[in-house]
Amino acid sequence: EVQLLESGGGLVQPGGSLRLSCAASGFTFSTYAMSWVRLAPGKGLEWVSAISDGGGSTYYADSVKGRFTISRDNSKNTLYLQMNSLRADDTAVYYCAKVSSKGGGCGSTSCSAAFGYWGQGTLVTVSS
Amino acid sequence: DIVMTQSPDSLAVSLGERATINCKSSQSVLYSSNNENYLAWYQQKPGQPPKVLIYWASTRESGVPDRFSASGSGTDFTLTISSLQAEDVAVYYCQQYYSTPLTFGGGTKVEIK
Repeated sequence: EVQLLESGGGLVQPGGSLRLSCAASGFTFSTYAMSWVRLAPGKGLEWVSAISDGGGSTYYADSVKGRFTISRDNSKNTLYLQMNSLRADDTAVYYCAKVSSKGGGCGSTSCSAAFGYWGQGTLVTVSS
Repeated sequence: DIVMTQSPDSLAVSLGERATINCKSSQSVLYSSNNENYLAWYQQKPGQPPKVLIYWASTRESGVPDRFSASGSGTDFTLTISSLQAEDVAVYYCQQYYSTPLTFGGGTKVEIK
C-alpha cells in the first residue's frame, strides 16, 4: 500500500524558512517523479514543484521559483521542500504527491504529471 | 501558462440525479503525437487529500465507481456523475498536465439539494 507522510509544517513568521519532508513507502520510490501541491484557505489546488525520479530535473511554479527548493533522498525514500523567504500567501496545506505512471511523467526536459497518490498534508502558516 | 476554468463554482443536485461539471483550458491539451488529452479529474472530500478519478480526459482510475464518467477533447471537458450519492459530496478539480506549470481549475463544489 502506497503511503506518503508529510511533516515539518507549522507557524513561521514572514521572511522565515521551513523544511517539509515526505516519507514514502509501499512503492519503489526511486522510480517515480514526485511533487508538492498546496491548498490555501478558501482557494483551489495549486501545483508548487516537481522532481524527476533521479532528482536531476526540477520544476517550479513561478510563485515559488527562487524561494523554494525541491529535493529527494532516494536512499531514505524521502522527498523534501525547502521553503525560504516565506510570505503570508504561502499559508496552505502542503501535499506530497506521487506522479502517476498512468498520467505522463517528469523527465529531463518536461514534466507532464498527474497525481495518483497524495499524502494527508501538512499545514504551513505564515504569520507574525 | 494554461488557464483552467471550471463551471459552475458550485451546484446542488438531488440524490440520484445527474451532476455535470465543465472544464475549459485556455489552449489545447491534446498532444498530437499520441492523440491523448493531458487532462485529469480529482475529487476532494472535506478534510481529505484529493483523489484521482480520471486520467487522459476519460479513463477512469481503477476502483472509481462507473457513475463517474468524463469526456471532451482539445479545450473543453466534462465530468459527469450519473446518479449522485451522498458520498459524492466534495470539491472536484480538473488539472492539465500538458505542460508546466501544471495547473488546476478553481474547483466545483457539489452538494446535495
